[in-house]
Amino acid sequence: EAGVAQSPRYKIIEKRQSVAFWCNPISGHATLYWYQQILGQGPKLLIQFQNNGVVDDSQLPKDRFSAERLKGVDSTLKIQPAKLEDSAVYLCASTPGPGVYGYTFGSGTRLTVV
Amino acid sequence: AQSVTQLGSHVSVSEGALVLLRCNYSSSVPPYLFWYVQYPNQGLQLLLKYTTGATLVKGINGFEAEFKKSETSFHLTKPSAHMSDAAEYFCAVSVSLANAGGTSYGKLTFGQGTILTVHP
Repeated sequence: EAGVAQSPRYKIIEKRQSVAFWCNPISGHATLYWYQQILGQGPKLLIQFQNNGVVDDSQLPKDRFSAERLKGVDSTLKIQPAKLEDSAVYLCASTPGPGVYGYTFGSGTRLTVV
Repeated sequence: AQSVTQLGSHVSVSEGALVLLRCNYSSSVPPYLFWYVQYPNQGLQLLLKYTTGATLVKGINGFEAEFKKSETSFHLTKPSAHMSDAAEYFCAVSVSLANAGGTSYGKLTFGQGTILTVHP
């Protein structure tokens, strides 16, 4: 079974620029999560999708972050404009959906804002 | 609301020694508890999980953890450390969500992480 795919693996941008990350979950997984992991901290949930609907985006800085999951499959996370404090690893995870356990995490995208 | 506290941001042991990584949780409903391991520049790998049933849970690579409701703890142990165990370990909590499709697992809330160093 293929894992959760994320791209790019690394990205360096200047502050105030925009950036986008892509995630392709495991086929058939209904729920998709984006987490932000700042160096030295545990991952923090940014947004949770169930199919193509948003379940939880309470910790997403909506003035600069946006995310979408068209057709309930892959997803993109965008930051515009980026700030220095956005430097982090952005992890995507997916789960099958109701009644079945199984979080699977991608390898993440490491963002450096300079 | 749920939260996790990992006691000790760094733990250092000798190869062959006992590994003990501490985790305490807070949850208003019965929790699901997890331990993940993260190697440098890699994603999170599940070590073990507790959902229901037996409170002593065995995972991969010889790790195990015991759910103690009275102490709100879920400490991770391994009898004998290997050099390959050096990594960062995260404890996480989730709760069940009832919806039309059945019971699902809500978002994971992670602790701050514990970096395990293993000395020869």
